[in-house]
Amino acid sequence: GAVVSQHPSWVICKSGTSVKIECRSLDFQATTMFWYRQFPKQSLMLMATSNEGSKATYEQGVEKDKFLINHASLTLSTLTVTSAHPEDSSFYICSASGQGVNEQYFGPGTRLTVT
Amino acid sequence: AQKVTQAQTEISVVEKEDVTLDCVYETRDTTYYLFWYKQPPSGELVFLIRRNSFDEQNEISGRYSWNFQKSTSSFNFTITASQVVDSAVYFCALREGYSSASKIIFGSGTRLSIRP
Repeated sequence: GAVVSQHPSWVICKSGTSVKIECRSLDFQATTMFWYRQFPKQSLMLMATSNEGSKATYEQGVEKDKFLINHASLTLSTLTVTSAHPEDSSFYICSASGQGVNEQYFGPGTRLTVT
Repeated sequence: AQKVTQAQTEISVVEKEDVTLDCVYETRDTTYYLFWYKQPPSGELVFLIRRNSFDEQNEISGRYSWNFQKSTSSFNFTITASQVVDSAVYFCALREGYSSASKIIFGSGTRLSIRP
């Protein structure tokens, strides 16, 4: 199957700072990427959907000014958590679909801890 | 609106027992896809199966089998002769429409523990 990577795999940052998470499709062009958040012992909750070259569509209740999503190329989407707070500590997972693939493929996830 | 319900929060069985994980879904679409994913402690999702709404044929893959019944909107997952390595959280998920660019909605997950 197709491969999606995320970087970093884990990150610790101080409260009030911003952190950027990258999601890359390694062997296909991802026209659509999704960002999910998973709190401990909970399910994956969709945060937003992004199409290459367009503004992201955010799910209800997700602050678009806090979680900035950029999908400027067919192989890269970034999620920036601005002014992070401890309650933003979570596991962030991306998925991608696009040309040449018939399904969504998930990245390995990024564990964010805000101290 | 689409919804996936996994009523079993946690299941614990002894190794070699069979175990069935339940999944009930809701959708207004006639075309949709159902999935099962495994999430081990590492966190990375492992794809197990995809089934489209027009294919109700049950599937078996080794010790894993899936029972899809549109009449009851269920897509249950059975592990036969469970092993300790099967311990993980299992998610059932739903995607409406043909396009892989549609969002996937996950159930709340079932935490499966296999005791030696």
